[in-house]
Amino acid sequence: AQSVTQLDSQVPVFEEAPVELRCNYSSSVSVYLFWYVQYPNQGLQLLLKYLSGSTLVKGINGFEAEFNKSQTSFHLRKPSVHISDTAEYFCAVSWGDYKLSFGAGTTVTVRA
Amino acid sequence: GAVVSQHPSWVICKSGTSVKIECRSLDFQATTMFWYRQFPKQSLMLMATSNEGSKATYEQGVEKDKFLINHASLTLSTLTVTSAHPEDSSFYICSAQGQGVTDTQYFGPGTRLTVL
Repeated sequence: AQSVTQLDSQVPVFEEAPVELRCNYSSSVSVYLFWYVQYPNQGLQLLLKYLSGSTLVKGINGFEAEFNKSQTSFHLRKPSVHISDTAEYFCAVSWGDYKLSFGAGTTVTVRA
Repeated sequence: GAVVSQHPSWVICKSGTSVKIECRSLDFQATTMFWYRQFPKQSLMLMATSNEGSKATYEQGVEKDKFLINHASLTLSTLTVTSAHPEDSSFYICSAQGQGVTDTQYFGPGTRLTVL
């Protein structure tokens, strides 16, 4: 069965420190990969996506992610976080159709 | 970027009544719209996929007679929760997608439904 695993449910981090959120998915021939952010009581906002091409993808708000086909991973990183980055982050995968499968989410809490 | 709106953002209703939630793509035409349900501190679970002018496709375990979906135009989809019960209380989120399978899904802000 196809699955998306976010390895960390909660990530506390100090302001201006780097953060990495891990995402692994079950293997397939072709995948489209996404990271979304959700602020409290709001919908989801797209941070970045990988469809094809360069495996290093840059997104909004200073985030980037790297697609690693051999490890079936799509980890999200930011070199220096701000208090405003406190939110829920979801990794999502599409296996060539219109549907998105979401990971369980990672709660990032940035402390001063 | 593309904007998707939902209305209402928050609704409280009595058990046994029906509630309609609207999802609109404001600046693009959405061939496909999706409805998700999110429980507190959990991920999004896809409920159904709707294409303009055709019947919605429901995920396994979702009661199609309880969650009625209508996608009457390329900019509007509605979800009606019929005969709502307290267990239907949840955060309902829609998303809209353009014509291509790789097109980004743009999400609405969500609707908080509380059934008393």
